[in-house]
Amino acid sequence: QQPVQSPQAVILREGEDAVINCSSSKALYSVHWYRQKHGEAPVFLMILLKGGEQKGHEKISASFNEKKQQSSLYLTASQLSYSGTYFCGTIKYIFGTGTRLKVLA
Amino acid sequence: DTAVSQTPKYLVTQMGNDKSIKCEQNLGHDTMYWYKQDSKKFLKIMFSYNNKELIINETVPNRFSPKSPDKAHLNLHINSLELGDSAVYFCASSQGFFRNTEAFFGQGTRLTVV
Repeated sequence: QQPVQSPQAVILREGEDAVINCSSSKALYSVHWYRQKHGEAPVFLMILLKGGEQKGHEKISASFNEKKQQSSLYLTASQLSYSGTYFCGTIKYIFGTGTRLKVLA
Repeated sequence: DTAVSQTPKYLVTQMGNDKSIKCEQNLGHDTMYWYKQDSKKFLKIMFSYNNKELIINETVPNRFSPKSPDKAHLNLHINSLELGDSAVYFCASSQGFFRNTEAFFGQGTRLTVV
């Protein structure tokens, strides 16, 4: 069963922040995050390996709560280049339902 | 030098036909995957192969048959194509399964069944 992401879609203005949540009904041993730009393949952002871990990638960071089987991706001061669909993924490379993010100028 | 390559990039075919999509990776990975992405953008896993052995086979119609001749290749053959098979199919690879390594994706094959 694939993880559920929320929101399904979000529209931002440049410079605004967003949070994307990923929740699993099964145990999450780790969480991957990927971004897929329109018409392209998904590209890896980061992996969180243990509960409580937080990571950063430019102005994109994430946290992982292993007990709650949840992860969140934080995008701060969003840029036009952040537009795309974001997926969380499990250790078995099963991906979440996706969140479409659009950043407007 | 493309890490994961799929052919063809576009495929338009009629209902009832049989078609194949090829995937090759030059990363030395031992695990490969097929995903189907529909118009709603869901990235649904279909199959996973580790060292040429099938390890994940999601609820996929029998008309879909993966074949892995070696660790660097994972092809997808589809029999009796239906309208609902229209989607973008992605191949991916990683080093190890259940090992928390980055997955690399091919550029996708857009299949249109008419």
